[in-house]
Amino acid sequence: GAVVSQHPSRVICKSGTSVKIECRSLDFQATTMFWYRQFPKQSLMLMATSNEGSKATYEQGVEKDKFLINHASLTLSTLTVTSAHPEDSSFYICSARDRGQVYGYTFGSGTRLTVV
Amino acid sequence: RKEVEQDPGPFNVPEGATVAFNCTYSNSASQSFFWYRQDCRKEPKLLMSVYSSGNEDGRFTAQLNRASQYISLLIRDSKLSDSATYLCVVAGGGSQGNLIFGKGTKLSVKP
Repeated sequence: GAVVSQHPSRVICKSGTSVKIECRSLDFQATTMFWYRQFPKQSLMLMATSNEGSKATYEQGVEKDKFLINHASLTLSTLTVTSAHPEDSSFYICSARDRGQVYGYTFGSGTRLTVV
Repeated sequence: RKEVEQDPGPFNVPEGATVAFNCTYSNSASQSFFWYRQDCRKEPKLLMSVYSSGNEDGRFTAQLNRASQYISLLIRDSKLSDSATYLCVVAGGGSQGNLIFGKGTKLSVKP
């Protein structure tokens, strides 16, 4: 079946640095990529939606200048957390939707970010 | 009111028990409904879609009541491996068709 490869699975970084998270769709074209964040004991919260070749749409309260999303190709989307702070520590996960599939979602395996 | 609400649990049950999870959603325009399973520190995995007519997959039965905006999941003859967090998920209310997740109900099946 469809697979989304997400890297890194775990990252620890110093406060003030930037971290890039990659999601690659294998064997299908991810026309839409959803980026979620999950804090401990909380639900997955949508951060932004990106369509290939277009600017991402951010949810209310999510800073677009802090969380940079690039979706330049149909198989790769990246999320860069810029100037990370400890409160950005969370589980970040992408979900890709194939062209023509309205509700067919494939999740990446997630990235656990810890900012120290 | 939260978009998708679930009883957070935890539900602690013995092996072989039947357990039911409930969920309500606020957006009447929602079109698709799912139950996902999430193991600790892992990505969510689709358990089953939920249809108005009700659907069953082995020991799992899902029901949808659109009038009440209520979704349920029944697990029969629970196994140790069923221990996880069960997420009620709704789609279709937004322009992009994104999924909206409940906080999840934690299930712990004991020997």
